[in-house]
Amino acid sequence: RKEVEQDPGPFNVPEGATVAFNCTYSNSASQSFFWYRQDCRKEPKLLMSVYSSGNEDGRFTAQLNRASQYISLLIRDSKLSDSATYLCVVNLSGGSYIPTFGRGTSLIVHP
Amino acid sequence: DAGVIQSPRHEVTEMGQEVTLRCKPISGHDYLFWYRQTMMRGLELLIYFNNNVPIDDSGMPEDRFSAKMPNASFSTLKIQPSEPRDSAVYFCASSHRDRATNEKLFFGSGTQLSVL
Repeated sequence: RKEVEQDPGPFNVPEGATVAFNCTYSNSASQSFFWYRQDCRKEPKLLMSVYSSGNEDGRFTAQLNRASQYISLLIRDSKLSDSATYLCVVNLSGGSYIPTFGRGTSLIVHP
Repeated sequence: DAGVIQSPRHEVTEMGQEVTLRCKPISGHDYLFWYRQTMMRGLELLIYFNNNVPIDDSGMPEDRFSAKMPNASFSTLKIQPSEPRDSAVYFCASSHRDRATNEKLFFGSGTQLSVL
């Protein structure tokens, strides 16, 4: 089983739609979680951190479910500019600091 | 700050040649990571440094790959000899690990390597 797994998609949605992605992780010792966005032929960039209580940033909401070992990203009112690949990242705690990336979920928002 | 700077942006070489990729991390960052990205395998961590010291190189594919960080502002990833299966985008990333920054990674623009 891979350490961090994501549905590769693509998720093809119309503008204005709400879309959600999940990411599962295998190591229960994982302590910090993030969503990154990667545009085609560009480097990944941090979208948002994921906090235990869940957090929101505008149209984006991130949730963590430790019991089931997954994180989620919800995008409301999708824009054309949201089209990208969304990567989830999981870090272990303590001395082992190895940010591990999922393979990403592709989102295509069409008019 | 200029961000993480990688060079070259593109490298095309022939099988068997030596390839050297370069990275300048963000000033003040104490962690530096080298990742490789392919369609088949996604982003794979090759090696990372903390305060210029290699901490984990278990992701380095084989002895043909080596990485150094002679000082806090410079790192290299070398492939010798290169093979066609090394073709990928190689990213360097840096971070400063404390509670305030929450372990955010900042990536360079990457080096697109093609080995013919």
